[in-house]
Amino acid sequence: EDQVTQSPEALRLQEGESSSLNCSYTVSGLRGLFWYRQDPGKGPEFLFTLYSAGEEKEKERLKATLTKKESFLHITAPKPEDSATYLCAVQGDGANNLFFGTGTRLTVIP
Amino acid sequence: GAVVSQHPSRVICKSGTSVKIECRSLDFQATTMFWYRQFPKQSLMLMATSNEGSKATYEQGVEKDKFLINHASLTLSTLTVTSAHPEDSSFYICSARVGGPNEKLFFGSGTQLSVL
Repeated sequence: EDQVTQSPEALRLQEGESSSLNCSYTVSGLRGLFWYRQDPGKGPEFLFTLYSAGEEKEKERLKATLTKKESFLHITAPKPEDSATYLCAVQGDGANNLFFGTGTRLTVIP
Repeated sequence: GAVVSQHPSRVICKSGTSVKIECRSLDFQATTMFWYRQFPKQSLMLMATSNEGSKATYEQGVEKDKFLINHASLTLSTLTVTSAHPEDSSFYICSARVGGPNEKLFFGSGTQLSVL
């Protein structure tokens, strides 16, 4: 059974304080691991897809990495506007949909 | 990226009434759309997969007679919550899949349903 565990559940950072969010996963045949950002009362906004261990992708202050067991979302010098819930999801072989973790609620304090 | 429009964004209704939520892919054709439900501080839970021109596939525990899904065209899927009750109050989100080698899901902005 597919499983996605995100940690920490909540994270408070000072503006400029870099950190990492973790997504541990178990899936039969990974087709893709996805990171989304969700603001309160909004739908998830696509950030990255990673397909194989060792792959890395970057977008502004965010960098996502992938191993065979987990993915990290590194945030460098965060700003208050980076405050949101970050969701990780996996898609396994033969699966038509994504399986989501419960997310990490990030708060960046000015 | 692709745009998925969801309407309405918020609806308040009386217990026993039905509510329809629309999900449109604005700049691409979506043969498959997905409907999720999200409770506060919880993750997205897949309710059903909507396939254009055929019956939706429901996840275990989701009542198909209560949550009616219609996917009549390649750009529109609707979710109707029939005879809504307070326990149906939740955040409902649709998504559409853009296929190909870089397959990804794009999400609508969600609908907050409150049943009084």
